[in-house]
Amino acid sequence: DAMVIQNPRYQVTQFGKPVTLSCSQTLNHNVMYWYQQKSSQAPKLLFHYYDKDFNNEADTPDNFQSRRPNTSFCFLDIRSPGLGDAAMYLCATSREISGNEQFFGPGTRLTVL
Amino acid sequence: AQSVTQLDSQVPVFEEAPVELRCNYSSSVSVYLFWYVQYPNQGLQLLLKYLSGSTLVKGINGFEAEFNKSQTSFHLRKPSVHISDTAEYFCAVSGPPGYSTLTFGKGTMLLVSP
Repeated sequence: DAMVIQNPRYQVTQFGKPVTLSCSQTLNHNVMYWYQQKSSQAPKLLFHYYDKDFNNEADTPDNFQSRRPNTSFCFLDIRSPGLGDAAMYLCATSREISGNEQFFGPGTRLTVL
Repeated sequence: AQSVTQLDSQVPVFEEAPVELRCNYSSSVSVYLFWYVQYPNQGLQLLLKYLSGSTLVKGINGFEAEFNKSQTSFHLRKPSVHISDTAEYFCAVSGPPGYSTLTFGKGTMLLVSP
């Protein structure tokens, strides 16, 4: 009965080689988020979707893109990964944005060689 | 803009001892407050939240937190910790209904030893 699923759990890519991380949810929530979390740091919001409405954080690099083809799925595309993009990437969902619990997936740990 | 300060990056404690993890927030509007726990190599799990009403909020795993508006604090407490409580704890704030996402503190690592 997993609610927020992330695949793969571990991803290894090469410097500059595009990579896509995926997230799916069974909660039918309106909002889906992508966070980047580096070691011993707080999660940093990259962007979120409210339904099909995309919202990019001001300091999210252009190297990061996202797609949400339907309610259940959301993808994070890293066009040209650098060594500094190695991190845990967390997907989360919520029914609404403010005041609502966010449900997190287990994360995908990205290694860049 | 809103911000969250978790003053302690690490809190070591012995098993069965009480613990308090501190969280202070800054916001120009009324807020919602959350505590999340993260075990190694896992996502975040909600421990408890304050939206309105009683300032003492009870959560899962025996944790509770008290919202103090005058001190802009939302400290997390547990009267007796277990080894299994060893994890990273994040305090987070969200603005009132509208369009305000979560802002996380830097986290506090709770280290419980026998």
